[in-house]
Amino acid sequence: GNSVTQMEGPVTLSEEAFLTINCTYTATGYPSLFWYVQYPGEGLQLLLKATKADDKGSNKGFEATYRKETTSFHLEKGSVQVSDSAVYFCALILSGTYKYIFGTGTRLKVLA
Amino acid sequence: GAGVSQSPSNKVTEKGKDVELRCDPISGHTALYWYRQSLGQGLEFLIYFQGNSAPDKSGLPSDRFSAERTGGSVSTLTIQRTQQEDSAVYLCASSPSTYNEQFFGPGTRLTVL
Repeated sequence: GNSVTQMEGPVTLSEEAFLTINCTYTATGYPSLFWYVQYPGEGLQLLLKATKADDKGSNKGFEATYRKETTSFHLEKGSVQVSDSAVYFCALILSGTYKYIFGTGTRLKVLA
Repeated sequence: GAGVSQSPSNKVTEKGKDVELRCDPISGHTALYWYRQSLGQGLEFLIYFQGNSAPDKSGLPSDRFSAERTGGSVSTLTIQRTQQEDSAVYLCASSPSTYNEQFFGPGTRLTVL
């Protein structure tokens, strides 16, 4: 079946460190891929997305590249801030469907 | 403008009681989703509404769960005879159309004692 696998957290980094959160997927068709972020006490919000292979989504210094050959969509940021502390969810939706499939989320904690 | 709102933000109930959770989507959004987020788990799809079409209820875990959407706007998720395993955060999301970004509410944290 279709699924999303994320690295388990929590991930704890010092401010200005480099961040990678791994996400791989299994899909029978051609998915669009998303990263959502959930800040403490808030709902999920879209961070970035990519709709086809080799697309790079970017927002707020975060980037992720849709890699069809490795079925991956890893989230990266060059220099994290304390304000980036949140839970990050990788998700996909298959073309022609309406069901999003979410990973289990990865908690990021950035220390000053 | 106003985002997706959910009420109550927290609900504590006793096992066997019924609860109603409310979602107010963004005005004009035709798609509405309910999810359940349990500790350490991803988002579990519960139900999907799109305009006036029949909802997809395939994710509802048992017949104790039901949902409706009135006038294509406000949605209510009802859980009858609550059980302890129903304890979770219930999230609502709306979208201007099916393949677009989802906008999430802050969730309702349900605790069944």
